[in-house]
Amino acid sequence: EPEVTQTPSHQVTQMGQEVILRCVPISNHLYFYWYRQILGQKVEFLVSFYNNEISEKSEIFDDQFSVERPDGSNFTLKIRSTKLEDSAMYFCASSAETRSEQFFGPGTRLTVL
Amino acid sequence: DQQVKQNSPSLSVQEGRISILNCDYTNSMFDYFLWYKKYPAEGPTFLISISSIKDKNEDGRFTVFLNKSAKHLSLHIVPSQPGDSAVYFCAARLSAYIFGTGTRLKVLA
Repeated sequence: EPEVTQTPSHQVTQMGQEVILRCVPISNHLYFYWYRQILGQKVEFLVSFYNNEISEKSEIFDDQFSVERPDGSNFTLKIRSTKLEDSAMYFCASSAETRSEQFFGPGTRLTVL
Repeated sequence: DQQVKQNSPSLSVQEGRISILNCDYTNSMFDYFLWYKKYPAEGPTFLISISSIKDKNEDGRFTVFLNKSAKHLSLHIVPSQPGDSAVYFCAARLSAYIFGTGTRLKVLA
């Protein structure tokens, strides 16, 4: 069964450093998303991406964040200068259509020290 | 601004009995609702969905009910199994999905 994969599973970084979180969505999906979940809190939408551009973003997704689909399979989230409060689980998701169910990856745990 | 709320942080149910998880929302413009299950250290797994034009959708042991006038969504699991123990999130769609805070279900053997 096709699935969304994410690498790495755990990333530890120093405050102020740049990190890139990687995702491989399900191959025939066209819509891609990033969410995050701070420990003990709810899953929060960050950004959606379609046709090589951002279709929607939340207020969390400020200038420190960017997304890219560098090739036909990967979808990345970059945080330019990490802050302590960026520590969270980051989930990538993809869907076949904009209003269909989203399939989530296993997440990347980002720890900012 | 909690547009999607799950007021019960946890629920314990005996194996074989019904589990009922509830979700309330505030925005009447939501047009699609989903339930996800999440195990520790894993991503959310899609369970079942319902469009706002329906009031019930059933898939095996899982049934989702939608009461639009009350802005209330519920997930019924019958019969509950120990493997159902997880955190359950409801999510509602306007343009992006908004998740509730989750309910931790524990099914006791």
